[in-house]
Amino acid sequence: QVQLVESGGGLVKPGGSLRLSCAASGFTLSDYYMSWIRQAPGGGLEWVSYISDSPVTTGISTTSYADSVKGRFTISRDNTNNLLYLEMNSLRAEDAAVYFCAREGHSWYRGGFDFWGQGTLVTVSS
Amino acid sequence: DVQMTQSPASLSASVGDRVTITCRASQDINNFLNWYQQKPGKAPKLLIYAASRLQYGVPSRFSGSGSGTDFTLTVSGLQPEDFATYFCQHRYSSTRSFGLGTKVEIK
Repeated sequence: QVQLVESGGGLVKPGGSLRLSCAASGFTLSDYYMSWIRQAPGGGLEWVSYISDSPVTTGISTTSYADSVKGRFTISRDNTNNLLYLEMNSLRAEDAAVYFCAREGHSWYRGGFDFWGQGTLVTVSS
Repeated sequence: DVQMTQSPASLSASVGDRVTITCRASQDINNFLNWYQQKPGKAPKLLIYAASRLQYGVPSRFSGSGSGTDFTLTVSGLQPEDFATYFCQHRYSSTRSFGLGTKVEIK
């Protein structure tokens, strides 16, 4: 069965860095668009970034970021180990949130985020 | 970037009521619109994708409609387990974004 498990959250000082991981099982990560989505305490959902699937023809994925994290966060994927990453640099207080990884259903049927991890908490404080 | 405006922010309803939540996109997004339910401390759950398609396993009392800029989520016959927060989300072009959410509370 499909499962996503995030890890790597914790307490970090403003300006610091953190790398989140998302271990996928039950499917092949590179066959799907994968996103990071965050939720501040008591707040709504904010999409952070996605990495596209990896076409057989080119093997090249595209990435996209929310303006709030562009230039500071980097999404990547380890196809061999079925792992998704989010490298977060220059962290700010407003980056504090629960971070979810989520699988997105294929575009040909306009799917939504059909599987989510349980989330990992990032706290940014001095 | 596409902005999603969801309303109302909250509503009170009774078991058995019909509830409607709306979501408006800042530009035409065709039917690239999804709906989620979230309960406290849990990850969101996909209810509706492509504006009107019921995700596998979701009860048929949930339905979605709309295209272009205006969309609706309807719960026909609210059940105790439906009291939660609902979010719309678009997947148009190279970005994604969510509405601010609608909290459905018990009257």
